Parts: sequence; C-alpha cells; structure tokens
Amino acid sequence: EDQVTQSPEALRLQEGESSSLNCSYTVSGLRGLFWYRQDPGKGPEFLFTLYSAGEEKEKERLKATLTKKESFLHITAPKPEDSATYLCAVPSGGGSNYKLTFGKGTLLTVNP
Amino acid sequence: NAGVMQNPRHLVRRRGQEARLRCSPMKGHSHVYWYRQLPEEGLKFMVYLQKENIIDESGMPKERFSAEFPKEGPSILRIQQVVRGDSAAYFCASSPGQGSTDTQYFGPGTRLTVL
Repeated sequence: EDQVTQSPEALRLQEGESSSLNCSYTVSGLRGLFWYRQDPGKGPEFLFTLYSAGEEKEKERLKATLTKKESFLHITAPKPEDSATYLCAVPSGGGSNYKLTFGKGTLLTVNP
Repeated sequence: NAGVMQNPRHLVRRRGQEARLRCSPMKGHSHVYWYRQLPEEGLKFMVYLQKENIIDESGMPKERFSAEFPKEGPSILRIQQVVRGDSAAYFCASSPGQGSTDTQYFGPGTRLTVL
C-alpha cells in the first residue's frame, strides 16, 4: 500500500534558525510529489511540485528537493509568518495520477 | 475571486439530517476532487469528478454519501442521515485537467459538525 510519512510531527524554531522537514514515501512509480502549506482553519495552499529525483525548487525561504525515496523541505532563516502545517502528497492508488495520498504533516512553529 | 470557492464554510447538523456542501472550481478548471480531513488524521481522497461524470469514487463511503458535478453550477457533496462520525473538514480541489499529473488547488473547506 502506498504510504507517505512526514517527520518530525512538530518542530519549533527560533526566528532565523534554519531546518529541514522530511517526507518519505513508498509508491510504485512516482508521478510527482506535492508540497502544500496549511494554516489553521484554511485549505492547503500549493507550494511545489517535484517530478524526478534530483529536482529542486525554491520559493522565498523555502526549497524543496527530491530523491528516489524522500523529499526535504528546507527552510532558511524562517520568520514567524512561516508558522503553519506543511503537507506532502503523492499521487497513488493503482497508477492514478490524481488520487493524492497525504502525510499527516509537520506543524512548524517559528518563535520571534 | 480566482480561487476555489466552497460554501458554507461552517455547517452544523443534527444526527439524521442531510448535509450539502458546495464547491465552485477555479476558472478554467474542469476537474474537481473532494477530500475529507478527520481530526488528527491526514487528508483522505473521496471522489474525483469531471463535468457530469464521476470518474473515481473509490474513497467514498458506500452508503449515505454522494457527489455530483452538473453541467451548470457547482459540484455538490451530499451526506444523507449524518452521524457524529461525519464531523470533519471537507475540502474541494480543482485542476485544469491538462493531462499527466495536474496540480490540485484547494478551497478553504467546509467544517461540518454533527450534534
């Protein structure tokens, strides 16, 4: 069965303290990996799509990377407004390219 | 507003009542997906629809749940005879349907509370 596991479950950082979030996956035939950000009481907000091992994408203080077994979301010099739950997801389920399987997320708190 | 719209944002129902959740996809998007987020759990796929067609409903409970995406108007997720276990956040997403793996853009969700 396809699985997505995110670690850590929660992470507290001081403003400016860089770190990384991990998303490991087991899926037959990766057809993309998605990162989303979710604020309390809101829907997931799209951040990145990665399609192949070695690919990297950046947006402001965030950089996502992908290997054959996992993805990392690197946060450089975070600010309090980066506090949110970060979700990763992969298309899965019998060759589907639309049925997203999500991890449970990493709750990031950045203290000023 | 170019984003995915959902209404209502909050819905309270008593056990046995019906809940109707609406979703208008982003402009230009013809593919709609519904997900459910239970407390302390991740988002779970429920159903994938295109206009007037249900493509995949493998994540829908077999009873009481139905979904549609008519030619005109929003997509509707309907839950009949709600029970307390249906209390959750329901998210709709849409994509343009250009082939390969589309990015899905999510709406703000409807938070259903069953009393």
